[in-house]
Amino acid sequence: DAGITQSPRHKVTETGTPVTLRCHQTENHRYMYWYRQDPGHGLRLIHYSYGVKDTDKGEVSDGYSVSRSKTEDFLLTLESATSSQTSVYFCAISGGGQAFFGQGTRLTVV
Amino acid sequence: DQQVKQNSPSLSVQEGRISILNCDYTNSMFDYFLWYKKYPAEGPTFLISISSIKDKNEDGRFTVFLNKSAKHLSLHIVPSQPGDSAVYFCAASGGLGSSNTGKLIFGQGTTLQVKP
Repeated sequence: DAGITQSPRHKVTETGTPVTLRCHQTENHRYMYWYRQDPGHGLRLIHYSYGVKDTDKGEVSDGYSVSRSKTEDFLLTLESATSSQTSVYFCAISGGGQAFFGQGTRLTVV
Repeated sequence: DQQVKQNSPSLSVQEGRISILNCDYTNSMFDYFLWYKKYPAEGPTFLISISSIKDKNEDGRFTVFLNKSAKHLSLHIVPSQPGDSAVYFCAASGGLGSSNTGKLIFGQGTTLQVKP
């Protein structure tokens, strides 16, 4: 298994509160990604990073921000959580032409 | 606007038979395609891939076929086993070149059930 750890694995939060999800890799890969998985939509890219402090938006970036201060860590922040952000979030790293995924974080916004 | 589409949400087959999962794409710039398998409460895992310079790639029981003119790819699983029951995602990217950021565009997924 690729060395990707997501934390927390589950979280319930209230509408309007900030939430930060963490992704940690031990593979020293340059590229890291945050996806969300929703029924009927598959996985959609939120943000990605191509190096320390280098990030860019994906297709569903509104309401999310990211930071990457170290190669191994990629943080996803919901500044003010909304019910539409209830989802399963996956972090991924890229290497050898394929992406390796973490186990996911199930986030529920109530 | 879905660039990668899996039009069958679910598929049920008998153990030992062939499973065929389909995927269509609209962006002609895609030149690398992948299939991922996902079990509940786990992250997707890579299954097989194909470059646009090929029309077939085989790995054990899994074969991916690419028809560029139709912008269509399919995953064949032969013979199907109960352990293959999972959600299968098709994905596409801009390829393996140095300018590629590795971003993947996914289809909606197809849930495969293999009955014993």
